[in-house]
Amino acid sequence: AQKVTQAQTEISVVEKEDVTLDCVYETRDTTYYLFWYKQPPSGELVFLIRRNSFDEQNEISGRYSWNFQKSTSSFNFTITASQVVDSAVYFCALYMNRDDKIIFGKGTRLHILP
Amino acid sequence: SAVISQKPSRDICQRGTSLTIQCQVDSQVTMMFWYRQQPGQSLTLIATANQGSEATYESGFVIDKFPISRPNLTFSTLTVSNMSPEDSSIYLCSVRPGNRPAEPQHFGDGTRLSIL
Repeated sequence: AQKVTQAQTEISVVEKEDVTLDCVYETRDTTYYLFWYKQPPSGELVFLIRRNSFDEQNEISGRYSWNFQKSTSSFNFTITASQVVDSAVYFCALYMNRDDKIIFGKGTRLHILP
Repeated sequence: SAVISQKPSRDICQRGTSLTIQCQVDSQVTMMFWYRQQPGQSLTLIATANQGSEATYESGFVIDKFPISRPNLTFSTLTVSNMSPEDSSIYLCSVRPGNRPAEPQHFGDGTRLSIL
């Protein structure tokens, strides 16, 4: 089965707290890519990161960091020192090389409270 | 990155009518996609629209209900036909700018459609 699971439907944290969004995936492919997208209230999806299945290095970009662990099929996203502007729905997605398409998780709605 | 414009941005329609959504890209792209996002839900791929060929529909979506045109490398339309309240969703156009698989897709702002 090819699937992306974001178990956290909704999270609320107070500004400046750190928050981690979980993503667990299932795929039969040996070559695949994982993505995170942000969907702010305005509705557009903003690409944040892509990671391929052969690169397990963690990545940091400013306040954002990503932890990819093939052993647990997880690709978690952490926001440090959260800000109100981080409030959005965040989608984890899996690109399946065999099918040449992306499937999205159900998303995690993140509320950053001032 | 590609700039994608969708029109209309939102609409309220009567049951039984049809609406055509336009997607314009500022650069030539081979792969264009149409997604549906029902309220509070994830994105579901409706179809892939490549210029010069018929659109490829995903399971559960048919051409009669969601006809798609792709007349050139910068434009596509999706029509939602014979609408019912269940069609109330956000419809998103997406492109994959490069020709390499797994290139990040870029999305338009979406069309918020409400059916009365």
